[in-house]
Amino acid sequence: GENVEQHPSTLSVQEGDSAVIKCTYSDSASNYFPWYKQELGKRPQLIIDIRSNVGEKKDQRIAVTLNKTAKHFSLHITETQPEDSAVYFCAASSRASGGSYIPTFGRGTSLIVHP
Amino acid sequence: ETGVTQTPRHLVMGMTNKKSLKCEQHLGHNAMYWYKQSAKKPLELMFVYSLEERVENNSVPSRFSPECPNSSHLFLHLHTLQPEDSALYLCASSQDKLAGVSEQYFGPGTRLTVT
Repeated sequence: GENVEQHPSTLSVQEGDSAVIKCTYSDSASNYFPWYKQELGKRPQLIIDIRSNVGEKKDQRIAVTLNKTAKHFSLHITETQPEDSAVYFCAASSRASGGSYIPTFGRGTSLIVHP
Repeated sequence: ETGVTQTPRHLVMGMTNKKSLKCEQHLGHNAMYWYKQSAKKPLELMFVYSLEERVENNSVPSRFSPECPNSSHLFLHLHTLQPEDSALYLCASSQDKLAGVSEQYFGPGTRLTVT
């Protein structure tokens, strides 16, 4: 099955700095890579995703890059703000034998943005 | 509440009890998921119902039993649980197509405590 490794587990930055979170995956058949943000006491919510036919995607201060050859993808947050403080999860989705998409999540990165 | 709802939000049960968790999605999605979220394994996929297929994580004990009567409702039946089963149980849904999968929408979770 798929195995997703996520680093770092904790990331502490000053407001205005950039933050980068990296994930690697093992299944070359995975073709959908979402990133979720989970604030304390709340449910995970999608912030950005990328599909295997795209190398980079950007949405305002958030960007994701994908390197299919190396099987890694990264989340980049620029000009960080205190409200970016949360746990961020990456995931890789591959198809099960019956056709269903099965997501495998990384262990999460706790991002702390200091004012 | 719209989107994905879960009941109850909190549950305390003894090891000999039988209880059920309920999830309902109002998004017209065709795939539903159960996750266990704990400090040890932040987002562990337990079961998936998608494209009329059920996929399960082989490491989930048989004391957890899912039921999906239709595409909008998902249950997790619990019996003879152990204290280590205490965790946040999250339900999610997505639109799964043979051409690809959409983002997952999570419910607020059920905080389960086994005494």
